[in-house]
Amino acid sequence: DGGITQSPKYLFRKEGQNVTLSCEQNLNHDAMYWYRQDPGQGLRLIYYSQIVNDFQKGDIAEGYSVSREKKESFPLTVTSAQKNPTAFYLCASSMGQSSLHFGNGTRLTVT
Amino acid sequence: AQSVTQLDSQVPVFEEAPVELRCNYSSSVSVYLFWYVQYPNQGLQLLLKYLSGSTLVKGINGFEAEFNKSQTSFHLRKPSVHISDTAEYFCAVSASGFQKLVFGTGTRLLVSP
Repeated sequence: DGGITQSPKYLFRKEGQNVTLSCEQNLNHDAMYWYRQDPGQGLRLIYYSQIVNDFQKGDIAEGYSVSREKKESFPLTVTSAQKNPTAFYLCASSMGQSSLHFGNGTRLTVT
Repeated sequence: AQSVTQLDSQVPVFEEAPVELRCNYSSSVSVYLFWYVQYPNQGLQLLLKYLSGSTLVKGINGFEAEFNKSQTSFHLRKPSVHISDTAEYFCAVSASGFQKLVFGTGTRLLVSP
């Protein structure tokens, strides 16, 4: 079955460390997205990519970085510059005018 | 820029009762509108979407929504809810394709027996 795989489901890191969240899709979708979800704030767009080797900042890109070397993969790095990294991170993909397909998320806890 | 307002953070309802989850949007251009559902510790699943055409949109799990341009609303309704409908529901809007999907803050639907 086609879908989006995010790993790991839970991730724990010490403050000051960079951490990379994985997102892989086998839907052959061109566009991929990273959202951050915090209680009571809905989803906020971090980065998105419409095509391989190209990506754009979303509304809250500071402290994050991404790469899009392959169509199937869109990893997100949470850097030590991100002041409040503890959150639920959701990856999504889309093709043309279709709706977004979401992965099951990664819950990151930084202490 | 677009924005979405979901005024109700939580809606409690008894099983088999009807429910309406409210969504209002703001945009200066034509919009696409969506409702997504999220179960605990999972991603979002599309319930329904409005792109154009009929203003009454039917989705999965017996949900429907009506696009009202004059009131800039896209309220979600279900005539009879089940315990399994307990989840968080997000309204979202896009005015220029799907790269800039803006989400509301969500409404938690709590269905009790």
